[in-house]
Amino acid sequence: KQEVTQIPAALSVPEGENLVLNCSFTDSAIYNLQWFRQDPGKGLTSLLLIQSSQREQTSGRLNASLDKSSGRSTLYIAASQPGDSATYLCAVRTSGSRLTFGEGTQLTVNP
Amino acid sequence: EPEVTQTPSHQVTQMGQEVILRCVPISNHLYFYWYRQILGQKVEFLVSFYNNEISEKSEIFDDQFSVERPDGSNFTLKIRSTKLEDSAMYFCASCWDGTGELFFGEGSRLTVL
Repeated sequence: KQEVTQIPAALSVPEGENLVLNCSFTDSAIYNLQWFRQDPGKGLTSLLLIQSSQREQTSGRLNASLDKSSGRSTLYIAASQPGDSATYLCAVRTSGSRLTFGEGTQLTVNP
Repeated sequence: EPEVTQTPSHQVTQMGQEVILRCVPISNHLYFYWYRQILGQKVEFLVSFYNNEISEKSEIFDDQFSVERPDGSNFTLKIRSTKLEDSAMYFCASCWDGTGELFFGEGSRLTVL
């Protein structure tokens, strides 16, 4: 059974700092991995999708990497802004059509 | 930009009542999903739906739950007899194919009293 873990659970940084969020998964036989952002009481906004054959994906200030063999992904956020404050969720698709989610990292960027 | 829309945003119901949550997936998507998130817990998969039938369901999705695509645009989740533990945020999602990017709606918060 796939298990997804995200570290740290919470992170507080000053504005402008570069930061890394970590995601690990137990079953390396994945189809893809998706990073989401969730604001309090809101839905999930897709940030990046990395296919199993890819090593990284970039969108603006976000860069996600994938090391399938070691069961790890990182989300790098450059030059963080207060508007980046949210919970960041990692989810992997293993077999079938379901996504398995981590608990999330709650990020606070202080002005 | 196309988006997944869900109604209602919040529903309060008494235990034992039937609830229907509605979703309009992105129009050209073929795969539809329901997930739920109990307060303070992980997002959990409930069911996936393709070609007018369930393609996968989790152990949570028991006989009290059902899904339907009654017309070309709506996708519904029905809970027949709600329990206190059904209180959660329910998310609908859709995907163009079975392995690509999932797009989620804003969620329907269900409170069972």
